[in-house]
Amino acid sequence: AQSVTQPDIHITVSEGASLELRCNYSYGATPYLFWYVQSPGQGLQLLLKYFSGDTLVQGIKGFEAEFKRSQSSFNLRKPSVHWSDAAEYFCAVGAYNFNKFYFGSGTKLNVKP
Amino acid sequence: GAGVSQSPRYKVAKRGQDVALRCDPISGHVSLFWYQQALGQGPEFLTYFQNEAQLDKSGLPSDRFFAERPEGSVSTLKIQRTQQEDSAVYLCASSSDRNQPQHFGDGTRLSIL
Repeated sequence: AQSVTQPDIHITVSEGASLELRCNYSYGATPYLFWYVQSPGQGLQLLLKYFSGDTLVQGIKGFEAEFKRSQSSFNLRKPSVHWSDAAEYFCAVGAYNFNKFYFGSGTKLNVKP
Repeated sequence: GAGVSQSPRYKVAKRGQDVALRCDPISGHVSLFWYQQALGQGPEFLTYFQNEAQLDKSGLPSDRFFAERPEGSVSTLKIQRTQQEDSAVYLCASSSDRNQPQHFGDGTRLSIL
C-alpha cells in the first residue's frame, strides 16, 4: 500500500541553523514526490517536486530535497533557517497517473530567535 | 482573485444536516482535487476530476459524500446526514494538468455539533 511517513511531529531549530525534515515513502512504482508548506489557516504551497532526473532538487525559499531510492527517502533541507520558515511541512507522493496523492502527517517547525 | 477560492471558510452544522462546500478553481485549470484534513493530520485524498469527469473517487469515506463538477469549472462537495467524524478542513486544489503543481485553496473548516 502507498504511504508517506514523516517521523518527526515537531522540530525546533534556532534561526540561522540548518534544517533537515525527514520523509519516507512506500510506493510500488517510480514515485513522484513533493514537499508542501502550510501556514495556519492557509492552504498548502508547493516547495519543490521530484519527477525524474537529478536526485537533488531545488525549490523555492532556499529549500532543497534529495531523492534516495535505496532508502525510500525524500528529505527536505535548508542551510540556514529564517523565522518566517516556521510552519507545517508535508511530504507527498503522487500516483503514476497523478490521479491521486498521498500526504504524510506533517512536521511542525518552530524557529527559535 | 487569481487563486483557488473556497466557500464558505467556516461551516457549522448539526449532526444529520446536509452541507455543500464550494470550490472555484483557477480559471482554465482542468484538474481538480478534494482533500479532507483532520486536525493534526495531513490531507487525505477524497476525489479527482479532470474537467467534468470524476476519474477517481476512491477516497470518499462513504456514500454520504458526493462531489460534482458539472461544467468542468466550479466543484461542489456535498455531505449528507453529517456526522461528528466529518468535522475537518476540506481542501480543494486545482492544476493546469494532472502532472502540474497543485494550487490549494485555504479550505473550508467544517464543524459538526
